[in-house]
Amino acid sequence: DQQVKQNSPSLSVQEGRISILNCDYTNSMFDYFLWYKKYPAEGPTFLISISSIKDKNEDGRFTVFLNKSAKHLSLHIVPSQPGDSAVYFCAASSGGSNYKLTFGKGTLLTVNP
Amino acid sequence: GAVVSQHPSRVICKSGTSVKIECRSLDFQATTMFWYRQFPKQSLMLMATSNEGSKATYEQGVEKDKFLINHASLTLSTLTVTSAHPEDSSFYICSASGGTSKGRTETQYFGPGTRLLVL
Repeated sequence: DQQVKQNSPSLSVQEGRISILNCDYTNSMFDYFLWYKKYPAEGPTFLISISSIKDKNEDGRFTVFLNKSAKHLSLHIVPSQPGDSAVYFCAASSGGSNYKLTFGKGTLLTVNP
Repeated sequence: GAVVSQHPSRVICKSGTSVKIECRSLDFQATTMFWYRQFPKQSLMLMATSNEGSKATYEQGVEKDKFLINHASLTLSTLTVTSAHPEDSSFYICSASGGTSKGRTETQYFGPGTRLLVL
């Protein structure tokens, strides 16, 4: 049972436009959500996170929105740059002592010049 | 802040040998470290979770005798692939949590990964 779903395996966007990456979850115990960016043959890089007590968190060009009632979160990148081309993973945590994260399968973002 | 290193970045070994991969948190004390495996075009698969000074907790289907994990200090964890076989060839990534530069304590910071090729 996939508790974190990224239904779009890929997304293509023009440079300068907005990229919107989506993520859905099923486990209502999740209360902390993260986005990671990953280039091929490298480890993921932490981008931004949001706690369930908030519905928006912004960091530079990156904004994460959380809709708890819909169990949905999204990552907005604006303006998109060619260097943003990578696989983006959504992850969720339900807290607890082991701090495990549950990852989605990722979305490949391609930003075209 | 929150930098994790991994060594080696790439290793090629003969079938039947053992390979050790090191994961270090360079600028924070990691209360918990994680080991993942990534197959081509697939998501990260958690193999095990380790806390300093205690035995690792392995995910279902991961052989604890094959993938030995040691978490000797708050900044170092090692993964040893014992008696490696070609099917163990993969990209192994570690992560560490406990740094608080951004987000909650459970934010994981990842190492750059180790590419293992078993011939």
